[in-house]
Amino acid sequence: AQKVTQAQTEISVVEKEDVTLDCVYETRDTTYYLFWYKQPPSGELVFLIRRNSFDEQNEISGRYSWNFQKSTSSFNFTITASQVVDSAVYFCALSEDGAGGTSYGKLTFGQGTILTVHP
Amino acid sequence: SQTIHQWPATLVQPVGSPLSLECTVEGTSNPNLYWYRQAAGRGLQLLFYSVGIGQISSEVPQNLSASRPQDRQFILSSKKLLLSDSGFYLCAWAGQRPTVETQYFGPGTRLLVL
Repeated sequence: AQKVTQAQTEISVVEKEDVTLDCVYETRDTTYYLFWYKQPPSGELVFLIRRNSFDEQNEISGRYSWNFQKSTSSFNFTITASQVVDSAVYFCALSEDGAGGTSYGKLTFGQGTILTVHP
Repeated sequence: SQTIHQWPATLVQPVGSPLSLECTVEGTSNPNLYWYRQAAGRGLQLLFYSVGIGQISSEVPQNLSASRPQDRQFILSSKKLLLSDSGFYLCAWAGQRPTVETQYFGPGTRLLVL
């Protein structure tokens, strides 16, 4: 069965600090997809990134970067020079491809990390 | 572009009353649709998913049911609400296979059962 663990329940930083959110996953599938979502106080989940299991290249998007390492089953998320607007709950999620595509894209979420950025 | 709507935004219901939450998607055809619940404690749990009209799969046994009467409409229902049904309900859509597609979420419905 698939599982996602976000061990950091809450992180508090001061503006302009760098912060890394950890995500460790478990799956038996060789083909799977990893996601990060942001949930601001309004509640809506905002999609940040999607990675498939065959693409271990790290990705950078502005102040955001992601480090995918299959050897350690981790998909960590770093925010550089954090800002108050980054305060939110961040979720890591996993979707297995399933035999013959039978997973239907079902997501398994971690418990989320509450990030608070203080001015 | 695609958009997803949910209503109502907030709902306060007494125990034992019925429930109907609606989700509609615009700008796409034949999407996969999903209902999630987020209880206090922040984790999201998949409740139902649908790959087509009238096709509903349940992930967890519960007091709720789902229906998909039209291609881009997904409804979450209950005949009699329980206190434990309180939570934040999120609907999501994704494109159909051949690959696992990204899910995009609606604004959610906050349900409080008293």
